[in-house]
Amino acid sequence: EADIYQTPRYLVIGTGKKITLECSQTMGHDKMYWYQQDPGMELHLIHYSYGVNSTEKGDLSSESTVSRIRTEHFPLTLESARPSHTSQYLCASAQETQYFGPGTRLLVL
Amino acid sequence: DQQVKQNSPSLSVQEGRISILNCDYTNSMFDYFLWYKKYPAEGPTFLISISSIKDKNEDGRFTVFLNKSAKHLSLHIVPSQPGDSAVYFCAAPGGSYIPTFGRGTSLIVHP
Repeated sequence: EADIYQTPRYLVIGTGKKITLECSQTMGHDKMYWYQQDPGMELHLIHYSYGVNSTEKGDLSSESTVSRIRTEHFPLTLESARPSHTSQYLCASAQETQYFGPGTRLLVL
Repeated sequence: DQQVKQNSPSLSVQEGRISILNCDYTNSMFDYFLWYKKYPAEGPTFLISISSIKDKNEDGRFTVFLNKSAKHLSLHIVPSQPGDSAVYFCAAPGGSYIPTFGRGTSLIVHP
């Protein structure tokens, strides 16, 4: 059973606010990922990490940033939220097979 | 251009019957494939995988078939249950451990 956690599960916030979406895993996986997914659409990779102090941008252009100071923690920060950021954000970790957290549903008003 | 394609956005099946979800891929270098199941407002859950050295992998009610020459795989669910109603994603781990996902197929199993 995969142990990967995301908080908050749901967030409603006003335009211009800074937010951090938390993701933690207890499996000791080196690789971690952030995806954005809208209903009926594929998962879009926005950031990934191969290990501590490693971060890379994914395919989807995003105004977000990530950090990987500890193996188990991979937070995603939006400096200034906009309505276009409204989506579901999914964190995953992997040694080989990816395991996903429960997701954060973000609504920016 | 999508390297993993799920051309059916939705599928409706009666309870007890077989559900067949299809996935096509274009990259012949893919050697491992996964299926994920996703309920609304939750993250995808790993369901079943198949290596390219096999043409079939079975786990309970779920069987994945791989046809390498056609670059096609399918997920069979027998018998289908209402709790199987979810979105199913096909994925292929690419280079650098970055998986490529299809757009998903929404399965609805009617009682």
